[in-house]
Amino acid sequence: GAGVSQTPSNKVTEKGKYVELRCDPISGHTALYWYRQSLGQGPEFLIYFQGTGAADDSGLPNDRFFAVRPEGSVSTLKIQRTERGDSAVYLCASSLTRGGTEAFFGQGTRLTVV
Amino acid sequence: QQQVKQSPQSLIVQKGGISIINCAYENTAFDYFPWYQQFPGKGPALLIAIRPDVSEKKEGRFTISFNKSAKQFSLHIMDSQPGDSATYFCAASISSGANNLFFGTGTRLTVIP
Repeated sequence: GAGVSQTPSNKVTEKGKYVELRCDPISGHTALYWYRQSLGQGPEFLIYFQGTGAADDSGLPNDRFFAVRPEGSVSTLKIQRTERGDSAVYLCASSLTRGGTEAFFGQGTRLTVV
Repeated sequence: QQQVKQSPQSLIVQKGGISIINCAYENTAFDYFPWYQQFPGKGPALLIAIRPDVSEKKEGRFTISFNKSAKQFSLHIMDSQPGDSATYFCAASISSGANNLFFGTGTRLTVIP
């Protein structure tokens, strides 16, 4: 079956521009997570959705980062006024429910800010 | 501050050998310890996970050993195969699933034929 799909797979943008990264979770999964992985590092938690609401956004680094999941399925991570330090692979994961079930990661979107 | 410390950074093992990766944590509230396997260009995939109420969990060639008093846990890959060559991440969280997982820095494993 289809896994977690992230688009685009690669995004190059200029410093100061706005970007949107999309995540299509596995159908029926109510929990959705965004992580950021810098080169040579483990993923770092950004935000977690249960349904349509952000249940935990404690990992968002600053107010330039925002994420939505308006219908409880597809999610979009939005980054305003991008900076070179935002360059990383942005990973999305989904799970059937919050606890007790495996989370499946997408292949990520590689964001490069030049 | 790194919540989960992982070593070694890289590991080379002969085919058929045992690969051992170690992790340590400080936060005693952690109660879920998964290991993830990541191939280049792919997202992490859950390999095996343990809770602190058991000291060992085995699934096929993969075993997690957990030492609660030392706040350490390790992954053992028995009979390592070239197809196991990947980056392995340990992680910890206060709940299962993928909410607010703290990942280690990763171990790049290379299994030589």
